[in-house]
Amino acid sequence: KQEVTQIPAALSVPEGENLVLNCSFTDSAIYNLQWFRQDPGKGLTSLLLIQSSQREQTSGRLNASLDKSSGRSTLYIAASQPGDSATYLCAAISYNTDKLIFGTGTRLQVFP
Amino acid sequence: KAGVTQTPRYLIKTRGQQVTLSCSPISGHRSVSWYQQTPGQGLQFLFEYFSETQRNKGNFPGRFSGRQFSNSRSEMNVSTLELGDSALYLCASTFRTGNTEAFFGQGTRLTVV
Repeated sequence: KQEVTQIPAALSVPEGENLVLNCSFTDSAIYNLQWFRQDPGKGLTSLLLIQSSQREQTSGRLNASLDKSSGRSTLYIAASQPGDSATYLCAAISYNTDKLIFGTGTRLQVFP
Repeated sequence: KAGVTQTPRYLIKTRGQQVTLSCSPISGHRSVSWYQQTPGQGLQFLFEYFSETQRNKGNFPGRFSGRQFSNSRSEMNVSTLELGDSALYLCASTFRTGNTEAFFGQGTRLTVV
């Protein structure tokens, strides 16, 4: 059974810092891993999708890596801004479950 | 192109009533999945529809049901509402099943009183 864990649960940092958010999964037989952002009371915005054959993906100030052997993915946010404040969720879709299994998220606050 | 559209955005219902939520996926996408999000349980998978067929189902009681139409639009129905059904219901649209990027709507906030 796939279980996805995110650490830390919450993070508060000053503007400009580089951040690393962690995501761990127990079943390494995954199709892909996807990172999302969620603002309070809103839906999920897709940030990055990493296919199982890939090691990393980049979009602007965001970089996500994937290490299937260790069951880990990291989301790196460079030069954080107050507008980055949100909850970040990772989700894995594995061959066994064929559905997105979500972590509990990391709530990020970036203060000026 | 238009994103995933969920209607209504907000709903208030009374215990025992039933409710129907709607999701229109991105044009060309044939798979729609539904999720329930609560503070205590996080995001939980309800079911997935592809080409009008339910192909995957989560661990929810039979009061939760859904369907998909030929234009890929999907509806979700909850009967005999309970207070614990209060949640944000999200739908995700993908081009096909499995290994593709999922795009979510803004959700329907259901409050059961």
